Amino acid sequence: AQSVTQPDIHITVSEGASLELRCNYSYGATPYLFWYVQSPGQGLQLLLKYFSGDTLVQGIKGFEAEFKRSQSSFNLRKPSVHWSDAAEYFCAVGAYTAGKSTFGDGTTLTVKP
Amino acid sequence: EPEVTQTPSHQVTQMGQEVILRCVPISNHLYFYWYRQILGQKVEFLVSFYNNEISEKSEIFDDQFSVERPDGSNFTLKIRSTKLEDSAMYFCASSDRTLGGETQYFGPGTRLLVL
Repeated sequence: AQSVTQPDIHITVSEGASLELRCNYSYGATPYLFWYVQSPGQGLQLLLKYFSGDTLVQGIKGFEAEFKRSQSSFNLRKPSVHWSDAAEYFCAVGAYTAGKSTFGDGTTLTVKP
Repeated sequence: EPEVTQTPSHQVTQMGQEVILRCVPISNHLYFYWYRQILGQKVEFLVSFYNNEISEKSEIFDDQFSVERPDGSNFTLKIRSTKLEDSAMYFCASSDRTLGGETQYFGPGTRLLVL
């Protein structure tokens, strides 16, 4: 069965500082990996995705993520955080044949001025 | 850019009542999903739907739940007799599962409150 672990429930960073959100997955074959962002009371916005190829993927809003098969990780990074990045971030794993996505518990990002 | 839409945005209902949540997927998509998110918890898969039938469902999706594509554009989730624990945000998603892999596009959600 596929699963996702986001070890950090809550992260606080200062505006302008760098950010890394951790994600570890468990899946028997090649995973399809996603990062979503959710602002309070809002829906899920796709930040980026990894299917195959280059293990460093670029997304919207200046985010990037790196797929490391040896570590079963897909960590999300941003070099300089903006106050508007404060939100809940979800990592998800999917499978081409199964279709459904399995989400992690989420990481809440707080940005200090 | 095409997007998934959901109605209503909020719904309040009494326990035991039936509710129907509506979704309009992206027009050329063939795969449809419902997920739910109980307040403060993670997003959970409920059901996937393709070619007018359920492809997969989770243990959450019991006999109280049903899905339907009544016409060429709408995709609905019905809860026959709502329970307090059905209070959650319900997200619809659709995808076209291209050769490049599947990306699910999520709607804004319907917040359901069961009293």
